[in-house]
Amino acid sequence: SQQGEEDPQALSIQEGENATMNCSYKTSINNLQWYRQNSGRGLVHLILIRSNEREKHSGRLRVTLDTSKKSSSLLITASRAADTASYFCATEGGKLIFGQGTELSVKP
Amino acid sequence: DAGVIQSPRHEVTEMGQEVTLRCKPISGHNSLFWYRQTMMRGLELLIYFNNNVPIDDSGMPEDRFSAKMPNASFSTLKIQPSEPRDSAVYFCASGPGQGFTIYFGEGSWLTVV
Repeated sequence: SQQGEEDPQALSIQEGENATMNCSYKTSINNLQWYRQNSGRGLVHLILIRSNEREKHSGRLRVTLDTSKKSSSLLITASRAADTASYFCATEGGKLIFGQGTELSVKP
Repeated sequence: DAGVIQSPRHEVTEMGQEVTLRCKPISGHNSLFWYRQTMMRGLELLIYFNNNVPIDDSGMPEDRFSAKMPNASFSTLKIQPSEPRDSAVYFCASGPGQGFTIYFGEGSWLTVV
């Protein structure tokens, strides 16, 4: 069964807007990771946040982690059409389990 | 580094045939993962190896599926006999160890007719 559950399942925004995706999980974790998948391609790692961290930044990406609520969020600021992809959270507690993903569409 | 290399990229086979998918992990990585992706079930972890030893195969759907890792640079996922419901994209990924990021191949697109 899936560990992480992303919300929303699909998100459509205009270029320049911010995109926020959420992930909830059920059991304790060592770390939580976010990946991106372009259509027809493999997944690419974006950012890893450890269980003792609360926030992490990488370029236009900001990830938060709330272990008390068992949830994480991924914020993409100033989105671009090239950000159009599916985004997955993955929880690591011995093995890496992926959620169902959020499909992000950024319209130019 | 060439990244994780999977073959074949695409395969169409008839029901009942044996299918073998291959994976070459990134050199130096000691963890290897096989995932299956479908629209209905998303990305499922089938099995993962650590130092060539299978650690968790609880995601392998049934006895028709088997995976091996004879050495640190090669792994196979075999389906025998194949069924139409096995149609999916099969991803191999490797990583330097537990707690680190993993790197995916481009996937093997399997269609069983």
